[in-house]
Amino acid sequence: DAKTTQPTSMDCAEGRAANLPCNHSTISGNEYVYWYRQIHSQGPQYIIHGLKNNETNEMASLIITEDRKSSTLILPHATLRDTAVYYCISRTGGYQKVTFGTGTKLQVIP
Amino acid sequence: GAGVSQSPSNKVTEKGKDVELRCDPISGHTALYWYRQSLGQGLEFLIYFQGNSAPDKSGLPSDRFSAERTGGSVSTLTIQRTQQEDSAVYLCASSLGQGALVVYGYTFGSGTRLTVV
Repeated sequence: DAKTTQPTSMDCAEGRAANLPCNHSTISGNEYVYWYRQIHSQGPQYIIHGLKNNETNEMASLIITEDRKSSTLILPHATLRDTAVYYCISRTGGYQKVTFGTGTKLQVIP
Repeated sequence: GAGVSQSPSNKVTEKGKDVELRCDPISGHTALYWYRQSLGQGLEFLIYFQGNSAPDKSGLPSDRFSAERTGGSVSTLTIQRTQQEDSAVYLCASSLGQGALVVYGYTFGSGTRLTVV
């Protein structure tokens, strides 16, 4: 699976959009980009995924660059409950031994 | 149940003792993963089960670690002769299987926090 890199931490003001970047420059054509988040003391929670088109669901939006080498997770109106570690991973649709990196620790500030 | 259930939620054990961690996946989920998360670290893959296929054990850190999955459902992760470096949160995840993983991703349990003293 392609290696992903994310900033270690980010701050965001409550009510503002949180934009979390992820680089996956070695991603292959059949690998999807997935985002999960982990709130303290809980297991990771699926947020969204995409292949090459931008995606939106009730939780977030995912913007993938045309060359697919990077993506951005957007939380349109961050709340204090969005404070968590956000993981970006890339994988194919079949079985893969995936390792989650250390992610981005997002702190939403009142 | 509605989600992935893990037990116990917390376990404190003495160095050298054996421990068993249990995972109940979502009913019908054929794929089951074990991960380990040490303090301040990312998730480290340990082992993967898919249906009746042989498990992928390549992430197990030593032969003190083993796992089994009975009847394609409940899984038990066993750590023998525990060491202090085994202290971590052990997370279990399940999914509907390879194809559905594309759509649904993983569903994780809340984990078992293991402390070896």
